[in-house]
This record gives sequence, structure tokens and C-alpha cells, in this order.
Amino acid sequence: DIQVTQSPSFLSASVGDRVTITCRASQGISTYLAWYQQQPGKAPKLLIYAASTLHSGVPSRFSGSGSGTEFTLTISSLQPEDFATYYCQQHNGYPRTFGQGTRVEIK
Amino acid sequence: EMQLLDSGGGLVQPGGSLRLSCAASGFTFSNYAMSWVRQAPGKGLEWVSTISRSGDSTYYADSVKGRFTISRDNSKNTLHLQMNSLRADDTAVYFCAKDHRWAEAFDIWGQGKMVTVSS
Repeated sequence: DIQVTQSPSFLSASVGDRVTITCRASQGISTYLAWYQQQPGKAPKLLIYAASTLHSGVPSRFSGSGSGTEFTLTISSLQPEDFATYYCQQHNGYPRTFGQGTRVEIK
Repeated sequence: EMQLLDSGGGLVQPGGSLRLSCAASGFTFSNYAMSWVRQAPGKGLEWVSTISRSGDSTYYADSVKGRFTISRDNSKNTLHLQMNSLRADDTAVYFCAKDHRWAEAFDIWGQGKMVTVSS
């Protein structure tokens, strides 16, 4: 099975900061990686799929990059509504594994 | 508007059974693979199962294989998850989710239903 490891698990940042989250796959997955945002008590929301394609309606301050085994999610200028937990998920076959999550909190 | 509405859930004793359902609206249900994802209290997301558009192919996480069964009724736009031999570590919020048109990522999610396995 393909494992995905996110880092960091937690980060503290201020409004306006540039934030980067990393996801590493245990084997090459081309660009079959998605990113989600989850607010407390809510269902996750898709942000990016195929490593770098922005899902419809997602603000352009979110971007994704990477291929193979290393991927990044970048928020160019953190907004108050972006404080949440972020997950990566590989979609290169089964099982479809998620990363452990990165909680982004207000500094 | 594309929507998924989860139903079912609740409290069940260890070894018991429960059935979750998910009603889809706003899109052609039969055109998309559908899945269940769960989240234990205070924990991360865990993929549980996926069913193909026609229902011919099903996939399961090792943690639920042999105990859970995913199914769909394309005539009623409904997804189901039959959960048998439930264990305490199955306690979680269960979300149904729809595959994106162009990728096996989840673009629409239900609101989630809590399943608690406890005596």
C-alpha cells in the first residue's frame, strides 16, 4: 500500500503569511494527489486535485505542486477563514490513503 | 446544486450491525464512483470503501474487509454501507463522497453521520 506522510502536523501562522505544507508518498504516484480543507465539525472540501489543478470555486491563493513522491500545498496569503486542518490524499489506485493532517492555527 | 445527504448512524453494541445510506441529488448519480470515508473522534480521515459507477466493482480498506459491504441503487440515486460485526474502533463520523469527474478525488461530501459502537 502507498503511504502518505504530511508535515508539519501543526503550524502556527498569522493572517497574511505564506504557508507551505508538504506531503510525501512512499512510492511514486505521478501527479495523483489531492488536497482538502476541513473546518471543525464540517465535511472536508476539495481544494486541489491532480497535484496542481485548482478545484472549481477555490480561491487562487491556494496552489499545489509536485510529482512523484513529493508534493506541496501553498497558501500565498493566509486569510482568517483558512485556519483549518488540511489533508493530502493519493488517488493512484487503492487503498486511497490520506495523510495525517496539518492543523493551521492563528499565531 | 450537487448534494449528498447521509442518513442512518447511531449507537450500536459491539458485534452488532448498522446500515448507512446516502441520497444524491443535483447530478447524474450513475455517472460517478462513490465512496465512504470515516473520521474517528479527534483523528484524521480514513478511506473505507469505493464502488464503481455500475456497482460491478467494489474496494475496501483492510480494516473493514469482510465486515462492511458497499452497494448502490442507481434507480434511486442512493448509496449504502452495510456494517456488520462492528467493533469499538469503528466508532467514527462516516461521510459519503462523490468522485470528481476527472480524478479519483472526492469533490462532493455528505454532512456525515456518527456511528458509536459501545456497550
